[in-house]
Amino acid sequence: GAVVSQHPSRVICKSGTSVKIECRSLDFQATTMFWYRQFPKKSLMLMATSNEGSKATYEQGVEKDKFLINHASLTLSTLTVTSAHPEDSSFYICSARDLSGRGLSYEQYFGPGTRLTVT
Amino acid sequence: SQQGEEDPQALSIQEGENATMNCSYKTSINNLQWYRQNSGRGLVHLILIRSNEREKHSGRLRVTLDTSKKSSSLLITASRAADTASYFCATDFRGSNYKLTFGKGTLLTVNP
Repeated sequence: GAVVSQHPSRVICKSGTSVKIECRSLDFQATTMFWYRQFPKKSLMLMATSNEGSKATYEQGVEKDKFLINHASLTLSTLTVTSAHPEDSSFYICSARDLSGRGLSYEQYFGPGTRLTVT
Repeated sequence: SQQGEEDPQALSIQEGENATMNCSYKTSINNLQWYRQNSGRGLVHLILIRSNEREKHSGRLRVTLDTSKKSSSLLITASRAADTASYFCATDFRGSNYKLTFGKGTLLTVNP
């Protein structure tokens, strides 16, 4: 199956700093990637839809200036948490859709997640 | 926004027993998917059932879908300790442009 990677897998940063998380589709092109966050023992909440070459679409309640998303190529989307605060500590997961026709158009492939801890 | 709801929230069984988890949703869907997540890890896709399907099997997994009741169930037969994980349903509802809405999940513990 298609593989999606995330980097870093874990990151600890100080309050007020910015952190960038990368999401890569390794063997397919992804015109659309999704970013989720997950609090401990909770479900995944969709934050935004990342479209290659255009602005991301954010879900209601998600601050676009705080969570900057860039989808500059067909294999890479980045999420930057700006001026991070302890309440931003969470597990961030990305997913990508393979529209090459090899797989099913509605399939999403998930990355392994990034654990962010803000101290 | 529409969100699936799983029950039970937690389920503890003995190895060899069957585990049944349920999911309900609120609006019309294109398909419903079940995922598994081990603690602190990413998601593993288990099975997808389309809105025009009623039942699907994959190995020890059996998924049913009742669109009239807007509910689905995931049955894991002959459970193993390695099945211990959280299980989530996710719906791709009509008009969502393939965005997935996840349920709250069921934490399954299979005791050896």
